[in-house]
Amino acid sequence: AQSVTQPDIHITVSEGASLELRCNYSYGATPYLFWYVQSPGQGLQLLLKYFSGDTLVQGIKGFEAEFKRSQSSFNLRKPSVHWSDAAEYFCAGVPDFGNEKLTFGTGTRLTIIP
Amino acid sequence: SAVISQKPSRDICQRGTSLTIQCQVDSQVTMMFWYRQQPGQSLTLIATANQGSEATYESGFVIDKFPISRPNLTFSTLTVSNMSPEDSSIYLCSVEGANGYTFGSGTRLTVV
Repeated sequence: AQSVTQPDIHITVSEGASLELRCNYSYGATPYLFWYVQSPGQGLQLLLKYFSGDTLVQGIKGFEAEFKRSQSSFNLRKPSVHWSDAAEYFCAGVPDFGNEKLTFGTGTRLTIIP
Repeated sequence: SAVISQKPSRDICQRGTSLTIQCQVDSQVTMMFWYRQQPGQSLTLIATANQGSEATYESGFVIDKFPISRPNLTFSTLTVSNMSPEDSSIYLCSVEGANGYTFGSGTRLTVV
């Protein structure tokens, strides 16, 4: 089945340290991939998306993600996290934008320690 | 990107009652999506609502429990019927745009 997998349920990072959140996908063709962030009690905010083209995509709040076809991955990175980055992060994908439903990974909860 | 106004933002309801959630979009959209997010879980698609036709429900969700209306291209409602504590979740609507999917701020429902 076509899906998106986030292997890490919970990650703890020190403030100022670098961050990488993992996302793997299983689609036959190149999918459309998204990273969303959900702060406590809030809705979902789009951080970045990959449709095609450059495999390194830049998003908001200093986040970036790299699409790696050979590894079926779309990992989210940030060079230096801030305490305000503590949230739940969801990777999502769709095989054909506009014609298929969006599938979410199980999410990764990010905790920031001083 | 489209802007979605979803309400209510939260509610506490008695079991056996029903709650209707509304989503208003600031532009016309073909498809609207309704999701459920159970406590500590990811998002699960309930149904897809196209204007002028019946909603398409995902496996495990039925129209009698989650009736949806889509009277025009900017508005949709989801009703959670005959509620039980197991329906306590966050419910979100979403629309598809040129740059991806936009989500409403969610309705946090607690059934007591």
